[in-house]
Amino acid sequence: DADVTQTPRNRITKTGKRIMLECSQTKGHDRMYWYRQDPGLGLRLIYYSFDVKDINKGEISDGYSVSRQAQAKFSLSLESAIPNQTALYFCATSVRGTGSVNTGELFFGEGSRLTVL
Amino acid sequence: AQSVAQPEDQVNVAEGNPLTVKCTYSVSGNPYLFWYVQYPNRGLQFLLKYITGDNLVKGSYGFEAEFNKSQTSFHLKKPSALVSDSALYFCAVRDAAEAGTALIFGKGTTLSVSS
Repeated sequence: DADVTQTPRNRITKTGKRIMLECSQTKGHDRMYWYRQDPGLGLRLIYYSFDVKDINKGEISDGYSVSRQAQAKFSLSLESAIPNQTALYFCATSVRGTGSVNTGELFFGEGSRLTVL
Repeated sequence: AQSVAQPEDQVNVAEGNPLTVKCTYSVSGNPYLFWYVQYPNRGLQFLLKYITGDNLVKGSYGFEAEFNKSQTSFHLKKPSALVSDSALYFCAVRDAAEAGTALIFGKGTTLSVSS
């Protein structure tokens, strides 16, 4: 079983619909992230969370919201989807640690491909 | 502010030849540097990282990378390319002093290895 699981893996939706992407992890990591991948733009950070009570905006948070329901679960919502949110979305985790352990190394899920028509 | 640049959108090499995928970075302090690989329809897989110590870092699948502080570079290398190395490669950086930040990724370089 995957350590970082994303659902759904693929979703096609229409403009204006609400969509939620879910992420769960069994790695026991404190930190969780949502990135978006677009061709030629690499990965851009949407939101990240260092624990259940800590949510931080990333580079491109507009149009998105998140919920950290538990240490192992971090969901991404698009309240009213628009076509330019069509992308591949990745959830990732990292260990908090201290010193040399706290490098920020990320462990990724397999991605959720979202198409907004 | 942290940033990372991958100057080449695509690198083409013949199987058996050495390959280099370039990465330069900018951080205020000391960098933590990473290379990830993405195969089609898959998530990103960790290849190697530089945290401290030896400037030459060895990673998975025969890849290595050399940290050059004066040139602020962390180029990915492999002595002999395989067709199966064809994939999308990402360089990422984080300032070691910025514990409350996430990795910043480059735009990616597509490696194409021909037989």
